[in-house]
Amino acid sequence: GNSVTQMEGPVTLSEEAFLTINCTYTATGYPSLFWYVQYPGEGLQLLLKATKADDKGSNKGFEATYRKETTSFHLEKGSVQVSDSAVYFCALRSRAAGNKLTFGGGTRVLVKP
Amino acid sequence: GAGVSQSPSNKVTEKGKDVELRCDPISGHTALYWYRQSLGQGLEFLIYFQGNSAPDKSGLPSDRFSAERTGGSVSTLTIQRTQQEDSAVYLCASSLAQEGDGYTFGSGTRLTVV
Repeated sequence: GNSVTQMEGPVTLSEEAFLTINCTYTATGYPSLFWYVQYPGEGLQLLLKATKADDKGSNKGFEATYRKETTSFHLEKGSVQVSDSAVYFCALRSRAAGNKLTFGGGTRVLVKP
Repeated sequence: GAGVSQSPSNKVTEKGKDVELRCDPISGHTALYWYRQSLGQGLEFLIYFQGNSAPDKSGLPSDRFSAERTGGSVSTLTIQRTQQEDSAVYLCASSLAQEGDGYTFGSGTRLTVV
């Protein structure tokens, strides 16, 4: 079955630091990959996505590249802000697995001024 | 509506009572999902509806949990004889059927069983 593994948090870093959150997956078929973000006290929001190998998703300064050869979809941002403090979830969806979205466990990021 | 609507936003219930949680998905979204998020935890899949197909109930934690979706739109998640471990935020999401489409989540129902 499908599964997603992402680095455990919390990740604490200073403003303007570089952020990487690792995400690897196992999947049936050729999945689409997603990053969701949950800001404190808010619901889950789609941050970015990639639907095929070598695609790069980007939004709000965040980027992630679909790496089929390493089954990874690491999230990166070059210069984080305090407002990026949130929980980040990596997820995948594949038709072969019934189109159900499978989530990783989430990574809490805390950015200090 | 423009987004996924869930009600109530908060629910406090006594142990042993039944509760119903409602989800109104985005119009035209054929897929509807329920997830559960316990305090500080990740997302636990509960149930998935896709069009007229039989729902995927593989995530329901016990037979006290059930869900239905009427007319391919509104869904109700029912928890019978609630227990304290049922306390969590229950999230509903909807999407189009294509695998490249992300889900749109509602704001959730925070259930507290006392």
